[in-house]
Amino acid sequence: LAKTTQPISMDSYEGQEVNITCSHNNIATNDYITWYQQFPSQGPRFIIQGYKTKVTNEVASLFIPADRKSSTLSLPRVSLSDTAVYYCLVGPPGGSYIPTFGRGTSLIVHP
Amino acid sequence: GAVVSQHPSRVICKSGTSVKIECRSLDFQATTMFWYRQFPKQSLMLMATSNEGSKATYEQGVEKDKFLINHASLTLSTLTVTSAHPEDSSFYICSAREGQGARNTEAFFGQGTRLTVV
Repeated sequence: LAKTTQPISMDSYEGQEVNITCSHNNIATNDYITWYQQFPSQGPRFIIQGYKTKVTNEVASLFIPADRKSSTLSLPRVSLSDTAVYYCLVGPPGGSYIPTFGRGTSLIVHP
Repeated sequence: GAVVSQHPSRVICKSGTSVKIECRSLDFQATTMFWYRQFPKQSLMLMATSNEGSKATYEQGVEKDKFLINHASLTLSTLTVTSAHPEDSSFYICSAREGQGARNTEAFFGQGTRLTVV
């Protein structure tokens, strides 16, 4: 399984755009990249998933360069409620995938 | 997205007793379910993987006789913490994934269970 590396923590302010980068140098050809958000005492919540280039949904964008060795989660105009831990996971589709979590990035949004 | 319901959300039990945690996939069939444990300010640690109708696969260092996992149907898996001790106090989270035909790797997580052993 591809190992992921993220910054341990980040700070931002309300209204700013936040970009969290994840390194996955050993990503396999058929691996997808998935980001989760976790609030204290809650289970992780799916944010976005992608394979290459750019994916956008109502809450975030995911940028994946051509070599796919990293990915960047972009949160536009964060608010206090975006304070959470963000995890980047990589793995193949189908029955063999076991979601394995790294340390994640603790994002604190300040007023 | 799909919904995974975990129950109870919080439980306090006496040392030496057993506690059962349920994990249900509400609107899809979960061929595979995962159980995690999370200590304060740490990441999720995978405890075991269970496939419907077969024995769970435990991660190294996880006692299978202490953490009993049953996945008897495609929508329900249970984790029983037997003879609980204070060091078993933790946040337990389940996750469910659709079957072999799933197109991607999205896994859905329950809301977690805070276990406190006194």
